Formats: sequence, C-alpha cells, structure tokens
Amino acid sequence: DAGVIQSPRHEVTEMGQEVTLRCKPISGHNSLFWYRQTMMRGLELLIYFNNNVPIDDSGMPEDRFSAKMPNASFSTLKIQPSEPRDSAVYFCASSGLAGYEQYFGPGTRLTVT
Amino acid sequence: TQLLEQSPQFLSIQEGENLTVYCNSSSVFSSLQWYRQEPGEGPVLLVTVVTGGEVKKLKRLTFQFGDARKDSSLHITAAQPGDTGLYLCAGAKGFKTIFGAGTRLFVKA
Repeated sequence: DAGVIQSPRHEVTEMGQEVTLRCKPISGHNSLFWYRQTMMRGLELLIYFNNNVPIDDSGMPEDRFSAKMPNASFSTLKIQPSEPRDSAVYFCASSGLAGYEQYFGPGTRLTVT
Repeated sequence: TQLLEQSPQFLSIQEGENLTVYCNSSSVFSSLQWYRQEPGEGPVLLVTVVTGGEVKKLKRLTFQFGDARKDSSLHITAAQPGDTGLYLCAGAKGFKTIFGAGTRLFVKA
C-alpha cells in the first residue's frame, strides 16, 4: 500500500518567491494534517482538514501561508512570499477513523535563502 | 496551553543497556501515541494507548499509560543501534493532537 506521498522532497528558493508543497494522503483516510518541524520549535500543527474541509487553521503562522484540499486525494500548502524563517521540514499526515493515529509522509525540506 | 513534556531530551547509551523515556502533562488525554522518527523521514506510529494503566509491548519496547491518563513511559530493553532515533509522544484531545518535543536516542554499538 502506498503511504502518504509528498512532493517535492527538497525545495530551495529565494526569499520572496512562491512555494507550493503537495500531498497525497492515504486512500480512504478522511483527515489530513500539515505540520512544520524545526529544531527550535519541534513539530507544529499548521492546519487540519476533515473530509476536505479546513477545521482548524489556528497554527498557520500568518497570511503568507495558505492551504487547500480540493479533493480527498490532494492537498497543497502554499507560502507566498517565502522568507528565510520559513526554512523547515514540512510534513503532511493523514488519518482514518482512528483520527488520533496519524501516518506521516517523508516530508519536504524547504530552504529559503 | 496543553503541553507534553518529554524527558530526557537526549540520551546516548551503549548497545545492550535498558532505558526509559517519559512523557508528562497536566492535561488528561483520550489517548496517547508514541512515534519514532529517523533522520530524513517522517514520524512512524509505534503504538496507541487508550486506557489508564494500560501496558503494551512491542518486542523489546514496553509502553505504559498513566492511571490518570496524563503521562506515559516507554521502556526499551537491551537497546540496539537500530533503536536510534527521535521518540515523540503525542496526546489526543478531540481532533487535536499535541506532540512533545521528543527524546533523541543514540545507541552506540
């Protein structure tokens, strides 16, 4: 079975550029989470979708961040414009009926110079 | 703010030693998960504990949920280099899951 798929795995961009991260959750899972991980702050929840609807976006740092889930098999996290402090590893995770058991993708390592 | 505090933050031991890591909170959780994360990868779910006092075993790993469902421990017997990684606990409360900062374990051969 395919796990959570994220792309790209690595992204290097210059400050001010738009960045789009992509996620395909596990088929049949109805919840999707975007996290950001840094050494300083650990794993932080950015936004949570249930049945493609954003339920909690209180972790989104500011208006430069936006996330969409147009269908059950695809989600994007966009940063526009990007800043050096956005450099981190971004994870997507999905869960099924046992919503508390999350399955993580391999992450996207973002470097903003 | 609901916090999950993990201790120790870092642990370096020799192969064959036993160890215990802790996850503590002042909040009650409906369930608690343990994940292991290796460099360059996402966290991988190890176990979920739901009932206060529950003990689960996964080969050499023993997980315990506190009676009050506020804390948990992970005990590893005869650690191996393959156990090296970041161990994260996560507490569930409704749809929210809160992650601890993790314990970084290094097992030397």
